[in-house]
Amino acid sequence: ILNVEQSPQSLHVQEGDSTNFTCSFPSSNFYALHWYRWETAKSPEALFVMTLNGDEKKKGRISATLNTKEGYSYLYIKGSQPEDSATYLCASNAGNNRKLIWGLGTSLAVNP
Amino acid sequence: EAQVTQNPRYLITVTGKKLTVTCSQNMNHEYMSWYRQDPGLGLRQIYYSMNVEVTDKGDVPEGYKVSRKEKRNFPLILESPSPNQTSLYFCASSPTGGVNGYTFGSGTRLTVV
Repeated sequence: ILNVEQSPQSLHVQEGDSTNFTCSFPSSNFYALHWYRWETAKSPEALFVMTLNGDEKKKGRISATLNTKEGYSYLYIKGSQPEDSATYLCASNAGNNRKLIWGLGTSLAVNP
Repeated sequence: EAQVTQNPRYLITVTGKKLTVTCSQNMNHEYMSWYRQDPGLGLRQIYYSMNVEVTDKGDVPEGYKVSRKEKRNFPLILESPSPNQTSLYFCASSPTGGVNGYTFGSGTRLTVV
């Protein structure tokens, strides 16, 4: 059974802090790694889809890296703002391009 | 605006009364999928569809049916809802389901009493 694990489960930071979370996934038969941002009472919104080992993607203050050989991805938020408060989900469709396996998410709260 | 439209947003129903949750996308995506979200559990896939008339079971298909008669629509049918189907449901679509990000609908919170 494929498992995607995220840590930490939750995180509280102060406005202006930089932070990062981890997503680990099985490295065999890797296909793609997805990151989503999910605000309360809204639906998940795609941030990044990464496929290449060593890939790094950036969107504003948020960036992500990928290590497919060891099976992990980091999501970084630079200078956190209250509007960054959300649950960040990662998902992998390793070995099967039709199906994503989702982690449980990291819940981020940014205090003003 | 490119979007996935899901209806209804909220639904309370009684055990055994058939219901349909609709999902429609306007992006000409081939891939569509239904998920349920329960506390403490990740998004779990119910059914997915690679294209018109092509559907397949996900991880938790029991008690659900789907159809894909047109590319844009992918309704979720609960023939005889039970309380354990009380959940938050999301429909999602993607160009091909592989390396493309998914676009999610706004969710349907279903309560079965």
